[in-house]
Amino acid sequence: DAKTTQPPSMDCAEGRAANLPCNHSTISGNEYVYWYRQIHSQGPQYIIHGLKNNETNEMASLIITEDRKSSTLILPHATLRDTAVYYCIVKKYSGGGADGLTFGKGTHLIIQP
Amino acid sequence: DGGITQSPKYLFRKEGQNVTLSCEQNLNHDAMYWYRQDPGQGLRLIYYSQIVNDFQKGDIAEGYSVSREKKESFPLTVTSAQKNPTAFYLCASSRPRDRDGWIGNQPQHFGDGTRLSIL
Repeated sequence: DAKTTQPPSMDCAEGRAANLPCNHSTISGNEYVYWYRQIHSQGPQYIIHGLKNNETNEMASLIITEDRKSSTLILPHATLRDTAVYYCIVKKYSGGGADGLTFGKGTHLIIQP
Repeated sequence: DGGITQSPKYLFRKEGQNVTLSCEQNLNHDAMYWYRQDPGQGLRLIYYSQIVNDFQKGDIAEGYSVSREKKESFPLTVTSAQKNPTAFYLCASSRPRDRDGWIGNQPQHFGDGTRLSIL
């Protein structure tokens, strides 16, 4: 699975869009990009995932560059409850089943009032 | 509500004791996973199970054991052989199978964890 690089921390003002970058320059064609977040002392929460196209759900938008070497998670209107560690994970499945996710240290996003 | 339940939330172990952490899911998921998280670190995979009565070692399986006798349950035993068991333990599940076979891109869903400490 490809390695990802994220900034260790970011600040964002409440009500503004939070844009979290992720670099995955060694990604291969069958690898998906997943985003999770973890609020202190809780289990990780799935946010969104994508392969090539941009994706949007009720929580966030995922923008993947055309060469797929980087992506950005966008929280459109950040609230104080969005303060968490955000993990970008690149994962492929060989078709033989399921195995685990590889979590790095993520980005600690702090929403400022 | 459907979800993943881990119990207990906090657990204390004396030196030399085995302890078992519970993980139950009612999401009808086929695959289940155990991760360990140390302070300030990401999650590391201990064991995973793709289907009942089958499981595989993850990256840090030494000192741990699991069983998967039921689809809903995947208990983790931390044995006395695990020299540094103090950590936050997380269970997850996903549904990588449908009637046509494996689905490759389904996300994992996590419980709220068990925090294990050594007395």
